[in-house]
Amino acid sequence: ETGVTQTPRHLVMGMTNKKSLKCEQHLGHNAMYWYKQSAKKPLELMFVYNFKEQTENNSVPSRFSPECPNSSHLFLHLHTLQPEDSALYLCASSHLAGGGGTQYFGPGTRLTVL
Amino acid sequence: AQTVTQSQPEMSVQEAETVTLSCTYDTSESNYYLFWYKQPPSRQMILVIRQEAYKQQNATENRFSVNFQKAAKSFSLKISDSQLGDTAMYFCAFEPNAGGTSYGKLTFGQGTILTVHP
Repeated sequence: ETGVTQTPRHLVMGMTNKKSLKCEQHLGHNAMYWYKQSAKKPLELMFVYNFKEQTENNSVPSRFSPECPNSSHLFLHLHTLQPEDSALYLCASSHLAGGGGTQYFGPGTRLTVL
Repeated sequence: AQTVTQSQPEMSVQEAETVTLSCTYDTSESNYYLFWYKQPPSRQMILVIRQEAYKQQNATENRFSVNFQKAAKSFSLKISDSQLGDTAMYFCAFEPNAGGTSYGKLTFGQGTILTVHP
């Protein structure tokens, strides 16, 4: 595997389910990000992790819970989601958080909440 | 807070021609970075070009170049000799350079869908 991978690629869940999205980067980077991409809206930054430490939470509801066990892996735990949470969730990584570095994106997880 | 505006939801161009995508931004920061990212259909988003605000010279990457007007807060992308593979959604993005507090916080525009026709 190369670059940034995300699993699953598609996920359908009910509002009472609990699921997790996984992201893995194979680039030796130290920063990882979660973004939400909704139809007809700009990408929204959700969380930033730098050297496993969360450095940004962009006012994300607590039903989204991130976890970064090491610099290569990032999870997004989901519980009691709402239909408006349906979107493409993108993970990205960069060498460091900040400094104008290039962010490398994964293919995304298409989430549908019923 | 920063805002990024892309006023062209969709654009089209003939293969081999030149097209310019517009982007304006609003910020009180004096130092920052600007980016154009490309998201092809069903493929991963990739960086097209990057500009550091303190550099007056416009960035260029092969067929891609920018027109950075700092006073006007404008950052347009010019694609020369358009190719079918340039068909994608293009996003303009802004990152403040505020030292440790910027932490890679990108603000994206709404995107412009570019279609290159044969």
